[in-house]
Amino acid sequence: QSVLTQPPSVSAAPGQKVTISCSGSSSNIGNNYVSWYQHLPGTAPKLLIYDNNKRPSGIPDRFSGSKSGTSATLGITGLQTGDEADYYCGTWDSSLSAVVFGGGTKLTVL
Amino acid sequence: QVQLQESGPGLVKPSQTLSLTCTVSGGSISSGGYYWSWIRQHPGKGLEWIGYIFYSGSTYYNPSLKSRVTISVDTSNNQFSLKLSSLTAADTAVYYCARAQFNYYYSGMDVWGQGTTVTVSS
Repeated sequence: QSVLTQPPSVSAAPGQKVTISCSGSSSNIGNNYVSWYQHLPGTAPKLLIYDNNKRPSGIPDRFSGSKSGTSATLGITGLQTGDEADYYCGTWDSSLSAVVFGGGTKLTVL
Repeated sequence: QVQLQESGPGLVKPSQTLSLTCTVSGGSISSGGYYWSWIRQHPGKGLEWIGYIFYSGSTYYNPSLKSRVTISVDTSNNQFSLKLSSLTAADTAVYYCARAQFNYYYSGMDVWGQGTTVTVSS
């Protein structure tokens, strides 16, 4: 059981937009910064978003992040088949004194 | 460009201790602003943070694994290592090393190794 809650799967058509939610509590998302990762099986996870809404260099602006209260959201616009992957949110949990992740969301581009 | 590479045995026996090393290239492990991390992924499951270490040696561990985990750093060889003791089949996973950004607060993991598969079996 993950500390952060994500939907197991989402899907959308190529070119469309999708959002992935990440729900937590005041000890994690509510008072700390959220990051998002893209993970294709057999490869290294890739940082997409850090500090709630910042993109590392090289990450296209099709990827965006936001946070409100104890929830965060990853948005992906202009979906491509290459975006099919597992997506994870993560943050620091001040009560656990630990980095925590969501259970992951599998994105299918139909 | 900083790169990380895990190394270690792919098969370990139950009750033994797993030892993995992460070699950092393209940058110094002693540069400030980063914690050096270990994360694992059980088959078909999500990511689990194991712990991280600053180049000075200060560590943070996942409370659920703390009694069995030791993370150490070797600045002279630009490496950091993981030891996980009292292994069971439940420790079978892909183990990743990663660099965690830290600017007075945890800011995500921006560089990851490719991961190494560890199987615990007799």
